[in-house]
Amino acid sequence: QVQLQESGPGLVTPSETLSLTCTVSGASLGTSYWSWIRQSPRRGLEWIGFVQYSGSPIYNPSLKRRATLSVDTSKNQFSLNLTSVTAADTALYFCAGILGSDNYNWFDPWGQGTLVTVSS
Amino acid sequence: DIQMTQSPLSLSASVGDRVTITCRASQSIAKYLNWYQQKPGKAPKVLIYAASTLHSGVPSRFSGSGSGTDFTLTINNLQPDDFATYFCQQCFTTLYTFGQGTKLEIK
Repeated sequence: QVQLQESGPGLVTPSETLSLTCTVSGASLGTSYWSWIRQSPRRGLEWIGFVQYSGSPIYNPSLKRRATLSVDTSKNQFSLNLTSVTAADTALYFCAGILGSDNYNWFDPWGQGTLVTVSS
Repeated sequence: DIQMTQSPLSLSASVGDRVTITCRASQSIAKYLNWYQQKPGKAPKVLIYAASTLHSGVPSRFSGSGSGTDFTLTINNLQPDDFATYFCQQCFTTLYTFGQGTKLEIK
């Protein structure tokens, strides 16, 4: 059974960088695409980007190039860095795998989510 | 971006009822539409992909239909475990977008 677990600081200072890591167990990173999604009352569910062990990540343009996704295959982890954060980046952050069949794809499984608050 | 609009945003129903949730895309997405269920404090779980294909382990009382811009999620014979929030999500483009969610509450 594939399981994902987010980790990282729960509080980030405005203008600083938010850094989160997702540890994958039960599967190799090379078997899928991996994504970050966040959820807030104001913005709902918002896809941030996805990454594969090889190839370039794909990002949501709404983040205006503040997001960087990377993969560490030696640790079976993938990470999110989000620069120049503001209060608007306060959200519950999820990591998720992307599964697919016949050109259709969906987010599964998901981590439990980690709450990140941006505040001084 | 493809905008996904759900209706209603909230819904009250009783155990045993049949409910329908609608999701409309701002442009045609063929059948590239997924449905998720989310309970408080938990991550969303996929119920249906490709508009109408039930994900493994999902009860058959859940069904999805539609193509193009209009989609529905139907839950027959509501069970206590079904009271949750439901989201649609398009995967027609890799700029994935979600609906606002429909909160299903017990009447």
